[in-house]
Amino acid sequence: EAGVAQSPRYKIIEKRQSVAFWCNPISGHATLYWYQQILGQGPKLLIQFQNNGVVDDSQLPKDRFSAERLKGVDSTLKIQPAKLEDSAVYLCASSANTLMGTEAFFGQGTRLTVV
Amino acid sequence: GDSVTQMEGPVTLSEEAFLTINCTYTATGYPSLFWYVQYPGEGLQLLLKATKADDKGSNKGFEATYRKETTSFHLEKGSVQVSDSAVYFCALSDPVDSNYQLIWGAGTKLIIKP
Repeated sequence: EAGVAQSPRYKIIEKRQSVAFWCNPISGHATLYWYQQILGQGPKLLIQFQNNGVVDDSQLPKDRFSAERLKGVDSTLKIQPAKLEDSAVYLCASSANTLMGTEAFFGQGTRLTVV
Repeated sequence: GDSVTQMEGPVTLSEEAFLTINCTYTATGYPSLFWYVQYPGEGLQLLLKATKADDKGSNKGFEATYRKETTSFHLEKGSVQVSDSAVYFCALSDPVDSNYQLIWGAGTKLIIKP
């Protein structure tokens, strides 16, 4: 089966610019996650969707970050305006459901550099 | 709240050495436990998992046993290869306290020298 697709793979922008990332989860997966991974650290959950509803966005900096999952399939994550500290890899993951033991499948990530 | 603690890295070993990466956890409920691996420049991949006490997850020569009495899920491999060089993350999913979200350890970088 096809994996989680993310684009772009790399993005370089200047601070105060805006950027958007796209994610296409594995077909049929109801749960979608966006993570931020700063170099040398573990992933930090930004937002979790169940179908097209938000389950948890408690760590999403809502003054500059937004995310949507239209029709419960694809998702976009936007940053506007970007700051230097937003430089990180943004990972999208999906899982089939939230039952015990169901693992998350990750995309290759988008490496964002803010200069 | 739930948490995962891993041994700090980097861990540097020679090829064919025995590997142990320690992982302990705290959880309110009965979590599932996972090891993920991240090779250089790549995304996270599930390495193995265990869903209940005394379960042993295994894959690619790696093993980890879910020990409820010691709240541990240590990763082991009998003979490592250079290709095992990567960052390894221990994680848990707890339906009671974290709504099935993955709670991550900080990661342990493994370096295998030929």
